[in-house]
Amino acid sequence: ETGVTQTPRHLVMGMTNKKSLKCEQHLGHNAMYWYKQSAKKPLELMFVYNFKEQTENNSVPSRFSPECPNSSHLFLHLHTLQPEDSALYLCASSQASGSETQYFGPGTRLLVL
Amino acid sequence: DQQVKQNSPSLSVQEGRISILNCDYTNSMFDYFLWYKKYPAEGPTFLISISSIKDKNEDGRFTVFLNKSAKHLSLHIVPSQPGDSAVYFCAATPGGTGNQFYFGTGTSLTVIP
Repeated sequence: ETGVTQTPRHLVMGMTNKKSLKCEQHLGHNAMYWYKQSAKKPLELMFVYNFKEQTENNSVPSRFSPECPNSSHLFLHLHTLQPEDSALYLCASSQASGSETQYFGPGTRLLVL
Repeated sequence: DQQVKQNSPSLSVQEGRISILNCDYTNSMFDYFLWYKKYPAEGPTFLISISSIKDKNEDGRFTVFLNKSAKHLSLHIVPSQPGDSAVYFCAATPGGTGNQFYFGTGTSLTVIP
């Protein structure tokens, strides 16, 4: 596997479910990110991890809970989501903090019913 | 308030002609700019970038121009090819030690054979 991978690619869940999104990067990067892309809106940065430490939380509701066990893996734990949380969730990685180019995974298309 | 704007949601160009995609920004602290290309069902892929110390960066058929006084950047693709049909996002960052990238809403380019 190369690049940034995300699983699952598609997810349908009810508002009372608990699910997790997984991201893995094979690029040797030290920074990882979660973005949300809703229809007709720009990508919204949700969380940033540098060397496994969370350095950014863009006022994301607590029903989204990130976890970064190591520099290669990033999870987004979901619970009691709302229908408006339906979106494409993209993971990205970069070498480290700063202006380095970010490399994106294919995304998880989430539908909350 | 959106700090990076792409005012044209779509653009159609004949194969072989030039495609010009535009992006405007409001934050004068941005010092690094990127263009990403996104095919359906895939994550954005990095295309080309430019630092604020330059006004032009060229890579093959792709050239990015930066006009700092107008807070405007553009991506030129010449000659355009059908495989260039995708959604193009511009992004900007203040750089330094921060990781905050700000994205536009994207422009969908269609290259007509």
